[in-house]
Amino acid sequence: GQSLEQPSEVTAVEGAIVQINCTYQTSGFYGLSWYQQHDGGAPTFLSYNALDGLEETGRFSSFLSRSDSYGYLLLQELQMKDSASYFCAFLGVDSSYKLIFGSGTRLLVRP
Amino acid sequence: DTAVSQTPKYLVTQMGNDKSIKCEQNLGHDTMYWYKQDSKKFLKIMFSYNNKELIINETVPNRFSPKSPDKAHLNLHINSLELGDSAVYFCASSQVASGNTGELFFGEGSRLTVL
Repeated sequence: GQSLEQPSEVTAVEGAIVQINCTYQTSGFYGLSWYQQHDGGAPTFLSYNALDGLEETGRFSSFLSRSDSYGYLLLQELQMKDSASYFCAFLGVDSSYKLIFGSGTRLLVRP
Repeated sequence: DTAVSQTPKYLVTQMGNDKSIKCEQNLGHDTMYWYKQDSKKFLKIMFSYNNKELIINETVPNRFSPKSPDKAHLNLHINSLELGDSAVYFCASSQVASGNTGELFFGEGSRLTVL
């Protein structure tokens, strides 16, 4: 089958660095995407990794290891506004018209 | 200018009723989707359309009927509503079937509550 696993919740302090892990299982793989969703809001696209390694976009970075079926989202210099749910996702092996999401990680940033 | 807009934002209705949600995107994308997000925040694809053609129907009960009059619009009609249909329904769009980046643009969601 196809699935993604993430921790359900992570707590961190303002100004700190936090890593949200994602392990996945699929028979075919194109790349790993990350989304942010604030309470009551829409999911918004953060990043995509097609190749192994780290992709950096401002305070956020995303990492992928295809051999380990593993990726993570790294958030640096945490701000209160980063409190949100974060989802990893990949395109379904049977159709690129289907983005499959993990169950999401709720990040709580404390002052 | 809202990229993906859906209406209504909230629906509260009784079991057995029929309801519709409308979605429009002004991004010029070819592909549109309906996702359901349950109370545990799990996001699950329901349908995807490419250029008005149904591509994915993810084993959704046939009480749910999507319609795409043109590639900028994708509506969702739900018949005989059940308690388990209570959720937030998100419309989304993308260029070239999620392209190579899995980047979808989501609407703000329509929160359906079935009493």
